[in-house]
Amino acid sequence: KQEVTQIPAALSVPEGENLVLNCSFTDSAIYNLQWFRQDPGKGLTSLLLIQSSQREQTSGRLNASLDKSSGRSTLYIAASQPGDSATYLCATHKAAGNKLTFGGGTRVLVKP
Amino acid sequence: SAVISQKPSRDICQRGTSLTIQCQVDSQVTMMFWYRQQPGQSLTLIATANQGSEATYESGFVIDKFPISRPNLTFSTLTVSNMSPEDSSIYLCSVGLAGYEQYFGPGTRLTVT
Repeated sequence: KQEVTQIPAALSVPEGENLVLNCSFTDSAIYNLQWFRQDPGKGLTSLLLIQSSQREQTSGRLNASLDKSSGRSTLYIAASQPGDSATYLCATHKAAGNKLTFGGGTRVLVKP
Repeated sequence: SAVISQKPSRDICQRGTSLTIQCQVDSQVTMMFWYRQQPGQSLTLIATANQGSEATYESGFVIDKFPISRPNLTFSTLTVSNMSPEDSSIYLCSVGLAGYEQYFGPGTRLTVT
């Protein structure tokens, strides 16, 4: 059974600092990995999708890497802003069309 | 991407009653899912909503408690039946698109008193 872990559970940084969010998973046989953002009491916004054959994906200030062999993914957010304050969740797909298995999330606070 | 709407956005219900949550997508999709997010927790899959057939439920979730309908490729409903305070959660529907990227609706915040 896949287990997805995100450490730390919470993170506080001053504005302008780069954010590094970690995600680890126990079963490396994943189809893809997806990073989401969730604002308090809201739904999830998809940030980046990394297919199992890819090493990284980039979108603006966001960069996500994937190392399947070690069961790790890292989300980098450059030059953080107060608007980046949210909970960030990673999730893996075991197989095509299958369910997502979520990590517990990292709650980020960017202080002005 | 996909635009997903849910109704209601929030509700406060009494113990023992039922609530039906609607999920509408702006395009036809094959894969649609229902998740639950309990307070302070991450997301747990309730079931996969299959068009034209019975939903596929995850371990710990049963059809009598969470009946699901999927009459077409753009719409689904989830009913939370005989509610108790432990059912207080955010309920989210999601759809799977190309590359199996999933998109989520805004969620329905349910409080059971």
